[in-house]
Amino acid sequence: EIVLTQSPGTLSLSPGERATLSCRASQSVSNNYLAWYQQKPGQAPRLLIFGASSRATGIPDRFSGSGSGTDFIFTISRLEPEDFAVYYCQQYGSSPVTFGGGTKVEIK
Amino acid sequence: EVQLLESGGGLVQPGGSLRLSCAASGFTFSSSAMTWVRQAPGKGLEWVSTISGSGDKTYYAGSVKGRFTISRDNSENTLYLQMNSLRAEDTAVYYCAKDRVRIAAPGNFDSWGQGTLVTVSS
Repeated sequence: EIVLTQSPGTLSLSPGERATLSCRASQSVSNNYLAWYQQKPGQAPRLLIFGASSRATGIPDRFSGSGSGTDFIFTISRLEPEDFAVYYCQQYGSSPVTFGGGTKVEIK
Repeated sequence: EVQLLESGGGLVQPGGSLRLSCAASGFTFSSSAMTWVRQAPGKGLEWVSTISGSGDKTYYAGSVKGRFTISRDNSENTLYLQMNSLRAEDTAVYYCAKDRVRIAAPGNFDSWGQGTLVTVSS
């Protein structure tokens, strides 16, 4: 199975700053089938990005994704107060689908 | 508006059984693969199982294969997860999720329920 390693584990930033999160796969993700989710405490995850770089319906353009093969990046261009949360990457190109361990973006 | 509402969680002893349900509305249920994802307390997300739109294909994580059974009733727009031989490590919030586009295999998930907590403890 593909293991996804997210870094850093925690990112401490201020509102208005840029957040850059990494997701590295143990082997190439087929067709760049890589998604990103946001989860706030007590809530279900929310799909932000699919296909490595496509925004899901209704997702603001301050959220973006890039990368291919084994290295993927998720960026929040300017952090809004509501963006402080945990972010997970997920690959769905190979069975079983797998999730990364998450990156917590916290207020500095 | 897509709505997914899980039920059936609770406290069960090790070795026991539980059946989770997920009532779906707001989309064509039979046209979407459906998935269960779980999250142990304070931990990350773990894919558990997926079923195709027609119900003829099922997929399981290695950690639950042989113990859990996913099924669906398209006439009732309901997804199920029968969990047998439960272990302490199965303790988690269980979410049902709708696949964004795939009909027959697990993909990415654009709608999630609020989850139901399963606690396995004596």
